[in-house]
Amino acid sequence: EAGVTQFPSHSVIEKGQTVTLRCDPISGHDNLYWYRRVMGKEIKFLLHFVKESKQDESGMPNNRFLAERTGGTYSTLKVQPAELEDSGVYFCASSPYDGFGETQYFGPGTRLLVL
Amino acid sequence: QKEVEQDPGPLSVPEGAIVSLNCTYSNSAFQYFMWYRQYSRKGPELLMYTYSSGNKEDGRFTAQVDKSSKYISLFIRDSQPSDSATYLCAMSANTGFQKLVFGTGTRLLVSP
Repeated sequence: EAGVTQFPSHSVIEKGQTVTLRCDPISGHDNLYWYRRVMGKEIKFLLHFVKESKQDESGMPNNRFLAERTGGTYSTLKVQPAELEDSGVYFCASSPYDGFGETQYFGPGTRLLVL
Repeated sequence: QKEVEQDPGPLSVPEGAIVSLNCTYSNSAFQYFMWYRQYSRKGPELLMYTYSSGNKEDGRFTAQVDKSSKYISLFIRDSQPSDSATYLCAMSANTGFQKLVFGTGTRLLVSP
């Protein structure tokens, strides 16, 4: 069974540009989460999808971040325009709809560097 | 103040040692407690999870939760070089749909 995949693995962009990160969850997993780790800090929750609906987006830093999950399958996280403080590792995780969402399976992350 | 505190290490031990990793937390609403292991350039991998207080054992790993002290621990027996990684504690107050709150992670180095 394929795990959570994320694309790209690395992205280097200039301040003001737009970047779109993609996450493909494990097949059949209704729950999809985005997290972010900035350098030297802990991994922080960004938002949570159940299928195509946003269940909790309390961790989204500001309106420069837009997350979508088309048809309840893959998800994208777009940053527009990117700022220096957006640099970090963006993780995606998924879990099945079984009432025990603590079993989150993480992808390898996308390393974003904004110059 | 962070909700979850974790010593970043690094913690260096010889092969075969017993390793103790710990986290403290401030939110008394946390009910689910998890330990993740993360190798370099990889995503976090779930090792163990426990609900509320108590102990849970899985092979060489034992997780302990003391809610009265707001303190959780992960013990690794007979540590191996392959255990060298960053260990992250995580916790959640929800049931089902989990918004995980992580510690910063402790880097563990096990030397042969």
